Amino acid sequence: QSVLTQPPSVSGAPGQRVTISCTGSSSNIGAGYDVHWYQQLPGTAPKLLIYGNTNRPSGVPDRFSGSRSATSASLAITGLQAEDEADYYCQSYDRSLSGSRVFGGGTKLTVL
Amino acid sequence: ELQLVETGGTLVQPGGSLRLSCAASGFTFSSFSMNWVRQAPGKGLEWVSHISSSSTTMYYADSVKGRFTISRDNAKNSLYLQMNSLRGEDTAVYYCARRMSGPDASDIWGQGTMVTVSS
Repeated sequence: QSVLTQPPSVSGAPGQRVTISCTGSSSNIGAGYDVHWYQQLPGTAPKLLIYGNTNRPSGVPDRFSGSRSATSASLAITGLQAEDEADYYCQSYDRSLSGSRVFGGGTKLTVL
Repeated sequence: ELQLVETGGTLVQPGGSLRLSCAASGFTFSSFSMNWVRQAPGKGLEWVSHISSSSTTMYYADSVKGRFTISRDNAKNSLYLQMNSLRGEDTAVYYCARRMSGPDASDIWGQGTMVTVSS
């Protein structure tokens, strides 16, 4: 059971918009800690997609955006493309676990 | 090119020990904190351990506390994970990852090294 909760799967057709939620608690996201998002393509290492809730590293398309509110965060992907099919993970910090970074369980995005 | 390369993963028996290494290049290694993250087969990401840039602070996930030790050698641009008393549930791909300056995100990841704990 992950400290951060994500839906196991989401899907969408090419060109559509999808969102992936990440629900935490008062000891992590609700405590004001930043949320970061990673994309993991099949058979590859994770890649940083969004950091500090809303910021995109250089090279990440603006089709990807992040938001945070209260005890949850969301990743939105617009103009869905076949190459977006991957696993997506949220990550934050949890003050109830000394020094602990925590990940969501991951969401498998399928492009129909 | 910014790069992290993990080595040392192999098949090891339960109760055994293993040391993973991560070689950094293309950036000033001594300026960045580092993390180890693992991924069991078919499972999600699990944070394992963190070490500050000058080795003054180290943190561990409860699942490895007392068994794993993180360390670094800034002169050799290298990060290590000493793994003792290995269990089947430690079977995973182990990634080293660079923590960003500022946000607590990992912006550079290695390709991973596979550790299999089995008799």
